[in-house]
This record gives sequence, structure tokens and C-alpha cells, in this order.
Amino acid sequence: QVQVQESGPGLVKPSQTLSLTCTVPGGSFNSGGQYYWNWIRQVPGKGLEWIGCIHWSGTPNYNPSLRSRVTISVDTSQTHFSLNLSSVTAADTAVYYCARGIDSRKCQHWGQGTLVTVSS
Amino acid sequence: DFVMTQSPDSLAVSLGERATIKCKSSQSVLYSPNNKNYLSWFQQKPGQPPKLLIYWASIRESGIPDRFSGSGSGSDFTLTISSLQPEDVAVYYCHQYFDSPWTFGQGTKVEIK
Repeated sequence: QVQVQESGPGLVKPSQTLSLTCTVPGGSFNSGGQYYWNWIRQVPGKGLEWIGCIHWSGTPNYNPSLRSRVTISVDTSQTHFSLNLSSVTAADTAVYYCARGIDSRKCQHWGQGTLVTVSS
Repeated sequence: DFVMTQSPDSLAVSLGERATIKCKSSQSVLYSPNNKNYLSWFQQKPGQPPKLLIYWASIRESGIPDRFSGSGSGSDFTLTISSLQPEDVAVYYCHQYFDSPWTFGQGTKVEIK
């Protein structure tokens, strides 16, 4: 069973940048380049919102609703990928998930998620 | 954006009975070159991440019990639980990954009657 794991601060102040990392514990992050690496979030008690993804062969793909504030990147050593969300407000308080997939199921394996609270 | 609308928002089904959830996309998610529908179904239990049940509209993910099945094509899809078990109490989401931004339905909560 593939495992992916999110990590990062659980509390971010308003107007600051939320930064999270996703790794594959004990596994290879880059295995042939066919994977989609996604960030998805969920406000507690609400539905799922796709933030964006990065595919090895192309540039990052972002949800237009967040595009002006989001950056998804891959670490140059290819050991993890990251999410940066700038100028956060209380509306960005959510559980953030990373998920890995392939073309047939682009969000196949999910991490446990990490709750990020935006508060002063 | 592709808007995914699920119905109903919630349903209560007796143990052993059938549960049916509908999902309608605002546009077709059928990719003609490979004749695949880029539609999946997830199950989410409280405090857990979503779990993939069905992909390409009708293919069961490895390890998923065969009481779960998916059907449909184009813009209308159905998730069926043929015989509801206690462990199936959860929220179910449909998800299109045909075109960016990928989107999810609002969720359907399944409970035991």
C-alpha cells in the first residue's frame, strides 16, 4: 500500500504563507514520471476542493480559484513536493491532503491529512 | 468548471438493502480517444481521508468489496452498494478528473435506517 504523508505547521497567522510538504516515507518519490501529485483541502465538515497538482512531465496545474496565491513545486532532490499558499485568511482553515495517482485514477492514494488553522 | 451534483444529499438504508447514489456532471467526462469516463467515487469516514472505491466510472479499486459498483457514461453516473453493511456508513463523493480544475460532488451521507 502506497503511503504519502503531509507535514507542516498546524497554525498560520492571517496574511502569512501556508507551507506544507508531502513525502513518500521509505519509498521513491520519482518513479518513472507517470504520477500526478495533488493537493486537496477540506474545510472541517465540508466538501473537497482540489487545489492543484504537478505532473512530472509538465508544469503545475492550479485551481483558478486559488491560482493567484498557490505554488506547487518539487524539491530539486526529488524527495518531496510542496504547497505554498500565500496571503491566507480564516477561510483557508482546512485539512490539507496530498494524494498521488496515475492517469486512470489521478487521486488514488491519499495521506492522512493535516489540519491547518489560520488564526492570530 | 465542471459542476458535479450528487443526489440525494443523504439517505438512510436498512442493513442488507441497496443504496444508490447519483452523480451528474455539467459536462461530459467521456474521453473519446480511449472511451473512458474520467469519473471516480470516494468513501470518507469521520476522521479519515477519502478512500478510492471506483475509477473510470465502473472499475473497482483493488481490495474494494464487490458490493460496490459504479455505472454510467457521459454525464450521468451511479454508485450502488448492493447490500449495505455497518462499515459502509460514510460520506460518498463523486469526482471528475477529465478536465482542470478537477472537481468533486458535494457528498452524500449514507446512514443505517
